[in-house]
Amino acid sequence: SAVISQKPSRDICQRGTSLTIQCQVDSQVTMMFWYRQQPGQSLTLIATANQGSEATYESGFVIDKFPISRPNLTFSTLTVSNMSPEDSSIYLCSVVSPLSLRAFFGQGTRLTVV
Amino acid sequence: QQQVKQSPQSLIVQKGGISIINCAYENTAFDYFPWYQQFPGKGPALLIAIRPDVSEKKEGRFTISFNKSAKQFSLHIMDSQPGDSATYFCAVTGTASKLTFGTGTRLQVTL
Repeated sequence: SAVISQKPSRDICQRGTSLTIQCQVDSQVTMMFWYRQQPGQSLTLIATANQGSEATYESGFVIDKFPISRPNLTFSTLTVSNMSPEDSSIYLCSVVSPLSLRAFFGQGTRLTVV
Repeated sequence: QQQVKQSPQSLIVQKGGISIINCAYENTAFDYFPWYQQFPGKGPALLIAIRPDVSEKKEGRFTISFNKSAKQFSLHIMDSQPGDSATYFCAVTGTASKLTFGTGTRLQVTL
C-alpha cells in the first residue's frame, strides 16, 4: 500500500495568482499522476509525472498552465498558474502499484478561485 | 471521446437492498477494471477490481460481473447499508497504468 499526503488540503485564491500543490508518498514510485475533479464530476487525468523527465500531459492540459515538478521518487508538485474561477476544482495526486495496478490517492486539494 | 460510460448517475436503495451500477467501455486493450468508492472530502479508494480472464469476482457484499464480449462490467452491492452511501466510479486501465474513470454514481442507502 501507499500513503499519500497532499498540501494544502484547501485554499481560496485570487484570480490571476498561482498555487502550488505538494504531494508526498511514503514509498518510492516511478510514476505519479495528477487528476482534476470538478464539483460533482468524475476525475480527469491532467498529467503523469516521471522522476528525471518532463511530465506527460493529457489532451486539453498544457505545461504553461499546470507546470509539474518531480525532483525525486517520493515527491511531486503541481502548480495551477494564472488562475481563473474555472480552475476551481479538487486536485488529487495518485500513485499506482505496478504489481496490483491498484491506485492510491491523496485526500485532495480543494481549490476555490475568486 | 468518452471511453467509459457509467449508469445510473444516481441511485437510491433501501437498506438491505441490492445496488447495481453498470459500466461500458470501448477499447478492448483495457486489461484491468476496478471500482472506486469516494466519500465526501476524501480521495477515491479501491473497492474491488477484476481482470478480463474471469467473469465474476466477489469480495464480501461486493461483486463485479464482467462481460468481455459486450464490453460491460457491473458492480453489485448486496445487503446495502447506509455506510455504503458514497460516489462510486468504475475505471479502466490500459497502458502505462493510466486510469480512465467513468462519470460516477451517487448512491444513497436509506433506512
